[in-house]
Amino acid sequence: DTAVSQTPKYLVTQMGNDKSIKCEQNLGHDTMYWYKQDSKKFLKIMFSYNNKELIINETVPNRFSPKSPDKAHLNLHINSLELGDSAVYFCASSQTPRSQETQYFGPGTRLLVL
Amino acid sequence: GQQVMQIPQYQHVQEGEDFTTYCNSSTTLSNIQWYKQRPGGHPVFLIQLVKSGEVKKQKRLTFQFGEAKKNSSLHITATQTTDVGTYFCAGLPTSGTYKYIFGTGTRLKVLA
Repeated sequence: DTAVSQTPKYLVTQMGNDKSIKCEQNLGHDTMYWYKQDSKKFLKIMFSYNNKELIINETVPNRFSPKSPDKAHLNLHINSLELGDSAVYFCASSQTPRSQETQYFGPGTRLLVL
Repeated sequence: GQQVMQIPQYQHVQEGEDFTTYCNSSTTLSNIQWYKQRPGGHPVFLIQLVKSGEVKKQKRLTFQFGEAKKNSSLHITATQTTDVGTYFCAGLPTSGTYKYIFGTGTRLKVLA
């Protein structure tokens, strides 16, 4: 049973294209996150939703738009992809957004923009 | 902005040697978590520290939270090849946001 799943696992695309990454969690958690991990392994939060409501919106280009149709799903749409968007994108979830909650990460989506 | 730095960035050790990674925050933290990411994998939660000066152990791993709640360390005794990976600390600032700030990570390689 996969707790946090992401699709696709790998994504290779051309500059300028639009792409989406999907995330689903079956843990019954209220809170979901998107992280970006660059080639140096730095892990930075991008967005967080709690019960479909956006609670964290870091300084990311507005080409990135998250959407949460329900609390078990958090998708990430990226418009006009650029070379610098190449990275591993991790989805994560936690029971609540409060402190002391463990975050459960998905397997990651490896995005390569050519 | 708020930052969490980890040192060293990389560490190569012989199997059986000890290893320590240090985590330093620019601001006071409510609590700190540690995660391990195997090569090609995703971060997996290891432990959480909440109290000032807290020390927790998991088999060969010892975690410590500083008295001022601005730093933490992870010490591995007698490393094994299964310890290979990147270790991240993640701190939650006391400023009231929901946002954990991940450290820069320490990549550990264990040579057999």
